Amino acid sequence: AQSVTQLDSQVPVFEEAPVELRCNYSSSVSVYLFWYVQYPNQGLQLLLKYLSGSTLVESINGFEAEFNKSQTSFHLRKPSVHISDTAEYFCAVSAGGTSYGKLTFGQGTILTVHP
Amino acid sequence: KAGVTQTPRYLIKTRGQQVTLSCSPISGHRSVSWYQQTPGQGLQFLFEYFSETQRNKGNFPGRFSGRQFSNSRSEMNVSTLELGDSALYLCASSLDPNTEAFFGQGTRLTVV
Repeated sequence: AQSVTQLDSQVPVFEEAPVELRCNYSSSVSVYLFWYVQYPNQGLQLLLKYLSGSTLVESINGFEAEFNKSQTSFHLRKPSVHISDTAEYFCAVSAGGTSYGKLTFGQGTILTVHP
Repeated sequence: KAGVTQTPRYLIKTRGQQVTLSCSPISGHRSVSWYQQTPGQGLQFLFEYFSETQRNKGNFPGRFSGRQFSNSRSEMNVSTLELGDSALYLCASSLDPNTEAFFGQGTRLTVV
């Protein structure tokens, strides 16, 4: 079974400051890792994914995450945040084929960007 | 390419009633999963269908059921609604289990 822990429930930050949203996971098998973002009254949007290959993955809007197998972490970072990044962010893990579509989510981190 | 479409977006039902939610996956996607999102429990996996077969099920009572049609569209049904079933129900589709899942906008169910 997999589990995901998002270490911060809320992260306030000023505009143009850097931010890190922390995610740790536990699993007895190899995993796929994801970050999703949710805006109010919306579904989940995929931000970035780690399936295989390079451990550093990037999104088109400046976020990046690094898969660290030894520390079982997949922290999300952005060097300079914008007001529009205010949202709730979810880290998720999947065991791929053996999980048959099941994603296990963390409890979410609410990122609030202040002007 | 159209995204995952869920209907209806909002629903109000009375305790004891039943409800059916619909999900149309991205064209070509054969895997459809359902999740329940509540403030207290967060995002919880309900079940997954692939080629009309349920392959995985979460820890929910038998009142929660689903099905998938030959065109990959899926429905989930909740019978004998309880107040605690009030939630955002999210559907996701993917090409196969080894790729990313794309979510719909969700159906907000309120049980009164």
